[in-house]
Amino acid sequence: EAGVAQSPRYKIIEKRQSVAFWCNPISGHATLYWYQQILGQGPKLLIQFQNNGVVDDSQLPKDRFSAERLKGVDSTLKIQPAKLEDSAVYLCASRTLGGPVYNEQFFGPGTRLTVL
Amino acid sequence: DAKTTQPPSMDCAEGRAANLPCNHSTISGNEYVYWYRQIHSQGPQYIIHGLKNNETNEMASLIITEDRKSSTLILPHATLRDTAVYYCIVSTFFGNEKLTFGTGTRLTIIP
Repeated sequence: EAGVAQSPRYKIIEKRQSVAFWCNPISGHATLYWYQQILGQGPKLLIQFQNNGVVDDSQLPKDRFSAERLKGVDSTLKIQPAKLEDSAVYLCASRTLGGPVYNEQFFGPGTRLTVL
Repeated sequence: DAKTTQPPSMDCAEGRAANLPCNHSTISGNEYVYWYRQIHSQGPQYIIHGLKNNETNEMASLIITEDRKSSTLILPHATLRDTAVYYCIVSTFFGNEKLTFGTGTRLTIIP
């Protein structure tokens, strides 16, 4: 079974520029998550989708971050405009509703963003 | 805030058992203990979870104290590939409860 795919793997931008990340979850996984992981810290949830609806976006900085999951499959996370403190690894994860381990999330390799 | 406390780092000799402790003194009756690990430059990976009984799978064993206020993840025969950051997380089993990651324990396996 193919895992969670993310692209690009690395991105370097100047502050105030825009950037977008793409995630393709495991086929059939209804729930999709975006996490932000700053160096030396654990992942922090930004947004959770159930199919194409938002379940939790309480920690998403909505003045600059946006995310969508059209058709309930792929998802994009956008930052506009980027700040220096947005430098981090952005992880995408997905979960099936019917798996043997209910809260087992499958993570992609992440996108490492550097804002200069 | 994370509901668990873990030592920031540990070392273990290759081939020996690695025992990673976790304190979760405020755990609720409907919360499970989950363990994930994150190898360098990869996303986290699920290891094991439990409610109150000890659990074992092909990767590890989980020992939960009777009062459920602490647990220990055991890697029975550690290899160099087990070098990673290990996260202990408490979360409910049902619903949309999110996983809240702390800073974890950085486990280094020494050859």
